[in-house]
Amino acid sequence: DSGVTQTPKHLITATGQRVTLRCSPRSGDLSVYWYQQSLDQGLQFLIQYYNGEERAKGNILERFSAQQFPDLHSELNLSSLELGDSALYFCASSFSGEYTDTQYFGPGTRLTVL
Amino acid sequence: AQSVTQLDSQVPVFEEAPVELRCNYSSSVSVYLFWYVQYPNQGLQLLLKYLSGSTLVKGINGFEAEFNKSQTSFHLRKPSVHISDTAEYFCAVTSYSSASKIIFGSGTRLSIRP
Repeated sequence: DSGVTQTPKHLITATGQRVTLRCSPRSGDLSVYWYQQSLDQGLQFLIQYYNGEERAKGNILERFSAQQFPDLHSELNLSSLELGDSALYFCASSFSGEYTDTQYFGPGTRLTVL
Repeated sequence: AQSVTQLDSQVPVFEEAPVELRCNYSSSVSVYLFWYVQYPNQGLQLLLKYLSGSTLVKGINGFEAEFNKSQTSFHLRKPSVHISDTAEYFCAVTSYSSASKIIFGSGTRLSIRP
């Protein structure tokens, strides 16, 4: 158990809908990262927050957005969903958010878009 | 731009045999390298990382990796594998210039035969 929690574990929805994925970092960690893992794209970094502020952006679509709240939990919002958005979404956390940090991954949320 | 190539998508080995999972990277700047493991239905877990110093890095569960700058490689090795090592292994790279963005390889599925 990494100490990172993600809810829900599974999510099934329809094209065009909007969903919110939630992540709680390990106690004491200030930085949260979001990743997408799919069969065709592999594991891709989406976005990073540190202490409430966006720190780095990867291959995140404009239909996707995220935020980190004062209690340090984070939410990833996916809108206008397409079939290709079906994937495993991981959240990770680290203490300082530096590039050399060890990231601790949650168990993931499996999103299925029908 | 940086990239990571994991040369083998699947590696089958017998229990107690040695294994090497290959990883090559490309970058025009100094890099920091990681190996993560993903057990079935779980998130990723850090095995080891190379930041600087000794090119031979020891990690958890008996794994080690060697950073070879001239060959731009960071191969993962274990002298004797166990059934419990069955998992997917990801090599990843980041650098100071990438501002904490991390790029993952496509993964190598290690399957252990009794």
